[in-house]
Amino acid sequence: AQSVTQPDIHITVSEGASLELRCNYSYGATPYLFWYVQSPGQGLQLLLKYFSGDTLVQGIKGFEAEFKRSQSSFNLRKPSVHWSDAAEYFCAVIDYKLSFGAGTTVTVRA
Amino acid sequence: DAGVIQSPRHEVTEMGQEVTLRCKPISGHDYLFWYRQTMMRGLELLIYFNNNVPIDDSGMPEDRFSAKMPNASFSTLKIQPSEPRDSAVYFCASILTGEFYAGYTFGSGTRLTVV
Repeated sequence: AQSVTQPDIHITVSEGASLELRCNYSYGATPYLFWYVQSPGQGLQLLLKYFSGDTLVQGIKGFEAEFKRSQSSFNLRKPSVHWSDAAEYFCAVIDYKLSFGAGTTVTVRA
Repeated sequence: DAGVIQSPRHEVTEMGQEVTLRCKPISGHDYLFWYRQTMMRGLELLIYFNNNVPIDDSGMPEDRFSAKMPNASFSTLKIQPSEPRDSAVYFCASILTGEFYAGYTFGSGTRLTVV
């Protein structure tokens, strides 16, 4: 069955610094991959998605992710984080059912 | 479109009471999913429907949980009797066949507290 793994439970980053969140997938074919963000007490918002084509995908809020088949990875990046980026981030893969990773909590320090 | 609408946003109930969570999917979407989010288990798929028919309920934790979709615009998740360990955030999501590449649209969730 398809699955994703997020190896980092918690990351702390300074405001203005770059951010990279890791995601590894397990799937036989080309996967449909997603990153969602959940701000405290809020629902899940789709940041970006990958299903084919260019391996670097752009999303909302200045985020991007790179699909690397050779590494089975789909890492999320942002060049310069803002305090409002403090949230929990989920990588997910879909095969009718959307399966989520455990999530990475991002703390932004001033 | 107003998106996926869930009600109530918050629910506090006493152990043993019946709880009903509601979801209105995006108009035209033919798949509907119920997820539960807890600190211990993260986001778990409970059940999903296609064209109002339950397709996979293997994630439903026990017989106390039941879900229905009487029509294309409404679904309920019922817990009877409720227990403190059912405390969680319950999300509903919907999607249209052929647009899975676009990702699900989630509702804002229902935060359930069973005391």
